[in-house]
Amino acid sequence: GDSVTQMEGPVTLSEEAFLTINCTYTATGYPSLFWYVQYPGEGLQLLLKATKADDKGSNKGFEATYRKETTSFHLEKGSVQVSDSAVYFCALILNRDDKIIFGKGTRLHILP
Amino acid sequence: DARVTQTPRHKVTEMGQEVTMRCQPILGHNTVFWYRQTMMQGLELLAYFRNRAPLDDSGMPKDRFSAEMPDATLATLKIQPSEPRDSAVYFCASGFTGGKEHFGDGTRLSIL
Repeated sequence: GDSVTQMEGPVTLSEEAFLTINCTYTATGYPSLFWYVQYPGEGLQLLLKATKADDKGSNKGFEATYRKETTSFHLEKGSVQVSDSAVYFCALILNRDDKIIFGKGTRLHILP
Repeated sequence: DARVTQTPRHKVTEMGQEVTMRCQPILGHNTVFWYRQTMMQGLELLAYFRNRAPLDDSGMPKDRFSAEMPDATLATLKIQPSEPRDSAVYFCASGFTGGKEHFGDGTRLSIL
């Protein structure tokens, strides 16, 4: 079935380090891909998205490129900040459907 | 900014009691989702509605859970009778078909 797999956390980095959180997907058809972020005590917020192959989504210094050949949508940021500490969820929506399928989330800790 | 509003934010009750969680979706959105988040299972989709009609509640324990949309401005999730294993954060989200979902801040439920 359709699914999203992302790297397990927690991921702990020092401030200004380079971040990669891996995400791969399995889907029949052509999904749209998303990264959501969840700050402590809050709901999920959309961070960025890409709707077709080779699209790059970007927001707040984060980027992810839709790679159809490797079925991946890895999240990257060149220089992380303490305020980036949160849980990050990779997700997909099949364009024929409403349901969003989430990965299990990756908890990110940034140390000052 | 329009927001999804969930009430209550926190609920502590004894097992066996009925619990009702409420959600006010963003005006104009045609899809509403209920998720449960736990450390062990991550985000689980419990139910979703399109244009107030229930489309999928396969993720919901039917013997004790029920989800309804009495009107376009209110979605409810009820648990009766509640059990300690129901302790989790319950999120409501709303959106448009094929698009991003907007999440509420969740109801943190503790069943003693």
